[in-house]
Amino acid sequence: DAGVTQSPTHLIKTRGQHVTLRCSPISGHKSVSWYQQVLGQGPQFIFQYYEKEERGRGNFPDRFSARQFPNYSSELNVNALLLGDSALYLCASSPGASGTKNIQYFGAGTRLSVL
Amino acid sequence: AQSVSQHNHHVILSEAASLELGCNYSYGGTVNLFWYVQYPGQHLQLLLKYFSGDPLVKGIKGFEAEFIKSKFSFNLRKPSVQWSDTAEYFCAVTWRINAGNMLTFGGGTRLMVKP
Repeated sequence: DAGVTQSPTHLIKTRGQHVTLRCSPISGHKSVSWYQQVLGQGPQFIFQYYEKEERGRGNFPDRFSARQFPNYSSELNVNALLLGDSALYLCASSPGASGTKNIQYFGAGTRLSVL
Repeated sequence: AQSVSQHNHHVILSEAASLELGCNYSYGGTVNLFWYVQYPGQHLQLLLKYFSGDPLVKGIKGFEAEFIKSKFSFNLRKPSVQWSDTAEYFCAVTWRINAGNMLTFGGGTRLMVKP
């Protein structure tokens, strides 16, 4: 079975640009979460979506937005990129969004570099 | 604010040594607890999880963790490490009061096992 897939794997952007990151969950999983992992730190929660509805939002500015599609895939969008947005962006999928259905499985991530 | 602390940032052990990595979370309430591992060049993988029941949890590759509610702790242990255990280990917690059950991660512990 395919795991969580993310694209692209690497991305280089300049300050002020916009970026879209994509995630396909494990087949049968209805929830997708996004995390930002800055070098040397643990992942920080950005968003969780379940059945196309936003279920949680972390402490990130409005430049960050996301959505989930009917096939449960998801996009993370970041506008007006800053140097500090350089990080590994992780997508995780889970069967559901609460309790024992919220066991999250991670993709390999998209490495974003902002110059 | 809810937080997770991993006090050991770097650990160096020789093969066959015993391992214990500390994890503490900020306050009580109903929690779900996880340990994830990130091997060099690979994505985050679930090592073990605790939802309820026996506070001693066994995971993959000989790892176990003990939930001590009174100490807000969920320490990871392995009786005898191998060189292949070299990786970064992350403790993560979800609090049931949070809708959507976002994972809050600790800062990680980088383990190096010398052959």
